[in-house]
Amino acid sequence: NAGVTQTPKFQVLKTGQSMTLQCAQDMNHEYMSWYRQDPGMGLRLIHYSVGAGITDQGEVPNGYNVSRSTTEDFPLRLLSAAPSQTSVYFCASSNRVSVGNTIYFGEGSWLTVV
Amino acid sequence: AQKVTQAQTEISVVEKEDVTLDCVYETRDTTYYLFWYKQPPSGELVFLIRRNSFDEQNEISGRYSWNFQKSTSSFNFTITASQVVDSAVYFCALYILTGGGNKLTFGTGTQLKVEL
Repeated sequence: NAGVTQTPKFQVLKTGQSMTLQCAQDMNHEYMSWYRQDPGMGLRLIHYSVGAGITDQGEVPNGYNVSRSTTEDFPLRLLSAAPSQTSVYFCASSNRVSVGNTIYFGEGSWLTVV
Repeated sequence: AQKVTQAQTEISVVEKEDVTLDCVYETRDTTYYLFWYKQPPSGELVFLIRRNSFDEQNEISGRYSWNFQKSTSSFNFTITASQVVDSAVYFCALYILTGGGNKLTFGTGTQLKVEL
């Protein structure tokens, strides 16, 4: 996928541990967002950002924290991991959709909380 | 609130058959965009098409075609002469202009299995 890099690709955490999923894009996109994908539920929005220093909550924000100190990076922090956070996480970035831009996704991060 | 429904959870076809994946959306916004993404077994999300609410022209790209009908709030995806490489989960998603950022509302996906 064009220019959206997620790390790590796979991670196993113990309940209560914290960690950060990294997302970086090199396309100078304004907008970035995080989704989680669970079986039978499609992708659901966790947090999103419309620019450096500006973030907001999505549909399922509880247990996650984000910040956007640069245009390129949008890390997702799990504060105290729970088994319910076992999921596949996708980062997305784009410029304004209304002027012809599409939304690109990273390759995903598979997280298991035991 | 926005909603996207992909009622077909799983579809199995034999190679070379045509297959249509259904997508029905709900929104009160008059300006919106519809997307289709493909998720192959390797897991990444691959962009297929983006269509805005003012453009009801059908689109064809090789073996892929899309039928957008505002009257029925549907944006269906047809694969002609399916191939094994088409096996994947396909997601339909809705973007509304007033939502801010690049927020998408996804359907639950349709798993397509193409067998020899």
